[in-house]
Amino acid sequence: DAGVIQSPRHEVTEMGQEVTLRCKPISGHDYLFWYRQTMMRGLELLIYFNNNVPIDDSGMPEDRFSAKMPNASFSTLKIQPSEPRDSAVYFCASSLNWKTKETQYFGPGTRLLVL
Amino acid sequence: RKEVEQDPGPFNVPEGATVAFNCTYSNSASQSFFWYRQDCRKEPKLLMSVYSSGNEDGRFTAQLNRASQYISLLIRDSKLSDSATYLCVVYTGTASKLTFGTGTRLQVTL
Repeated sequence: DAGVIQSPRHEVTEMGQEVTLRCKPISGHDYLFWYRQTMMRGLELLIYFNNNVPIDDSGMPEDRFSAKMPNASFSTLKIQPSEPRDSAVYFCASSLNWKTKETQYFGPGTRLLVL
Repeated sequence: RKEVEQDPGPFNVPEGATVAFNCTYSNSASQSFFWYRQDCRKEPKLLMSVYSSGNEDGRFTAQLNRASQYISLLIRDSKLSDSATYLCVVYTGTASKLTFGTGTRLQVTL
């Protein structure tokens, strides 16, 4: 199994530009999560999907952030317009059923730097 | 008060030492508890779940104290390869929420 795949691995952009992060979960996993990690705030859950449906987006910082999951094998996290404070590592994770203690498997992350 | 609190460390210990980390959580309704490990510039990976009666996996022992609302991780006979950041993770079913601590950094030296 290839694990959770994220792209790009690194992204450097200028303030005001649109950024799109991509994720392919592990095949067969019903849950997909987007996290953001910074030194100051640690790992924060932004949004999660169950069977492609967004369940909880309360962690999404503001309207500049949006996430979609058009099918079971693909999700995107979009930031438009990007700001320097969005600089962080963005992780995607997937799980069979995390509520029954199933492990969440994380992708390698996308390191985003907004100048 | 943060929902999940950890001492950021770093804990610097010699190889072979025993080291313990604690993590406190604020929501008494929290149901499930985990320790994840994160190596530098890598993704978090599950180290072990924490069960009410405590559990052991090789050199690692996890304990849960519901009355005082903390969990602990004990590492015996530390190895250089144990150097990493250890994240405490709490699941609260009523809020359907998984919350990560900011992590405790461990550095094992020769």
